[in-house]
Amino acid sequence: DARVTQTPRHKVTEMGQEVTMRCQPILGHNTVFWYRQTMMQGLELLAYFRNRAPLDDSGMPKDRFSAEMPDATLATLKIQPSEPRDSAVYFCASGLGHWNTEAFFGQGTRLTVV
Amino acid sequence: GESVGLHLPTLSVQEGDNSIINCAYSNSASDYFIWYKQESGKGPQFIIDIRSNMDKRQGQRVTVLLNKTVKHLSLQIAATQPGDSAVYFCAETSGGGADGLTFGKGTHLIIQP
Repeated sequence: DARVTQTPRHKVTEMGQEVTMRCQPILGHNTVFWYRQTMMQGLELLAYFRNRAPLDDSGMPKDRFSAEMPDATLATLKIQPSEPRDSAVYFCASGLGHWNTEAFFGQGTRLTVV
Repeated sequence: GESVGLHLPTLSVQEGDNSIINCAYSNSASDYFIWYKQESGKGPQFIIDIRSNMDKRQGQRVTVLLNKTVKHLSLQIAATQPGDSAVYFCAETSGGGADGLTFGKGTHLIIQP
């Protein structure tokens, strides 16, 4: 049963600490998305990659957020330093990047910054 | 800026009835639309999609209608079941399905027994 795997599922950290969230996309998918979900803003696109190359990270605060794909089986989203306003659920999704191939979402990482 | 929005935040229907969830979008360049279902503690799950060259698409118990003239999208769920209780999001993209999605705020569908 192919699925997107995200770790950790939950993370509580203190303000100022570095946070790294990991995502294993579905094998064979060439497009990986990072979304953030909050009650106030809903689901927002942060960044996405195609064939491991970053295509768009305009939704991501550049000064503290960074997204990478070290290899085809791993995508990371890093926040340094973290702030309370970063508290949210972060979703990774993967897809094939063309018509009728919807993005499959992971279970998310619930981040709380205190 | 351009966005996708929902008319109703909460919709309550009786089990077995049909439900209709509405969505308005403002990006006239949008060419691909998707409905997602999100259950508590889980990621969004694909329900059905539609391209801008279509005005209706049917799946199992679900139908999506697209009215490009008024930039309106709707999701119809037939014979609702308790398992349909969730938050439903519409999403759009202008990249032929290849780019990131812009999501609406969501509608919470509650199925009454």
